[in-house]
Amino acid sequence: AQTVTQSQPEMSVQEAETVTLSCTYDTSESDYYLFWYKQPPSRQMILVIRQEAYKQQNATENRFSVNFQKAAKSFSLKISDSQLGDAAMYFCASHSNSGYALNFGKGTSLLVTP
Amino acid sequence: DTGVSQDPRHKITKRGQNVTFRCDPISEHNRLYWYRQTLGQGPEFLTYFQNEAQLEKSRLLSDRFSAERPKGSFSTLEIQRTEQGDSAMYLCASSLENVYVTDNTDTQYFGPGTRLTVL
Repeated sequence: AQTVTQSQPEMSVQEAETVTLSCTYDTSESDYYLFWYKQPPSRQMILVIRQEAYKQQNATENRFSVNFQKAAKSFSLKISDSQLGDAAMYFCASHSNSGYALNFGKGTSLLVTP
Repeated sequence: DTGVSQDPRHKITKRGQNVTFRCDPISEHNRLYWYRQTLGQGPEFLTYFQNEAQLEKSRLLSDRFSAERPKGSFSTLEIQRTEQGDSAMYLCASSLENVYVTDNTDTQYFGPGTRLTVL
């Protein structure tokens, strides 16, 4: 079984600043994938970024990048040049190659202030 | 490109009633998933279909829950004899199997969800 822990229920960042959201996971699998999903208020969940565990290079998508520390089982999300539209609930999730389910953390609510 | 759609978006029902939700995946996606999300929690996996076959069910899916995907396209999730504890957001997701690799890690795309309130 895989568990995902997000220890920050809420984070706040000023517009144009950088913020890092934390995520740790626990798995006995050797082959797995990690994801960050964004869920804006009353809107559907969308994929922000994904990371294959076998890749050492950290994934990046425009202003979003991850810091993947495999030995520490840590997978943090960095949002650069934060925008008001980044305000949302962010979920970290894991997916093993042997199953079909995404395992989600409890989420971090990101507030972006002008 | 049409995304995943779910109907209804909101459902209010009385305890003991049956409810049915529908999910229409992205048209070419052969994989379909149902999740449940309660307030303050991340989504929890309920069940998975590959085409019309239901291949995995979570322990969360009690006997009162049944899901179908009769022709490998849309799916329905039915809850019989609803209880107050069933109140949650029910999310559907779909993905396209990557036939070039033997893994299950294709990206899942989520619908807007059906919010169920059981009074």
